[in-house]
Amino acid sequence: ETGVTQSPTHLIKTRGQQVTLRCSSQSGHNTVSWYQQALGQGPQFIFQYYREEENGRGNFPPRFSGLQFPNYSSELNVNALELDDSALYLCASSLEPQNEQFFGPGTRLTVL
Amino acid sequence: EDQVTQSPEALRLQEGESSSLNCSYTVSGLRGLFWYRQDPGKGPEFLFTLYSAGEEKEKERLKATLTKKESFLHITAPKPEDSATYLCAALTSGTYKYIFGTGTRLKVLA
Repeated sequence: ETGVTQSPTHLIKTRGQQVTLRCSSQSGHNTVSWYQQALGQGPQFIFQYYREEENGRGNFPPRFSGLQFPNYSSELNVNALELDDSALYLCASSLEPQNEQFFGPGTRLTVL
Repeated sequence: EDQVTQSPEALRLQEGESSSLNCSYTVSGLRGLFWYRQDPGKGPEFLFTLYSAGEEKEKERLKATLTKKESFLHITAPKPEDSATYLCAALTSGTYKYIFGTGTRLKVLA
C-alpha cells in the first residue's frame, strides 16, 4: 500500500510568483486536506477536498486555492507569494472527511 | 473563536518517568479529537481518535482520554524513542475544519 506522496520536496520562489504543490493520496482515500506549518508551530488548516469538492476551509485568503482530481490526487496553488508563505506544506488523506488523516512528508517552500 | 491549546510546550523526562500532556479545546462543536506524533522533518503520524467525552484509547505506552473541555495523553514508562512533538487537533462539527495545537515537544533521556 503506497502512502501519501508530495512533490516537490523543496521549492524556492520569489515574492509575487505563483506556485503549485502536488499530492497523491493513499490508495482508497477520497479526502485530501492541506496544511501550512511554520517552524515550531502546529499545522494550520488551509482546506479539505472530498470527492473533488471543497469540503471545508481555514482562515486563508483566496490566493490559496486547490483542486482535487478524479483519482483523488490534489493540487495546492498559491498566487502572489509573500515572504510569510515560507513554510512546510503538508498534505493528508483520509478514508472519509471525519476519519484519521495520514500525512505526506511535506513540501518545504521558501519565498525570497 | 475556535481554539486548541497544548501544555506544556516542552517536557523533559527521564526514561521510565511517566507523565501527561494536556490539550484544551474551545470549539463550537466537536466532531472528533485527534492525537498525532511528529518527528523532526517529517509529517505527523496518527496515534488516536476520540469522539465522545469519557472515551479512552490505548496503544503501547500511550493512553488518550477525552472530557468535554480537554484531552490528555498519558505516557507510561517512556523510552528515548518516544521523543517527538505530540500534536492534538480538534475537528469541528458543521463545516469541516481542523484546529491544531502548537504541540508539546517531548524529550526522554536515557
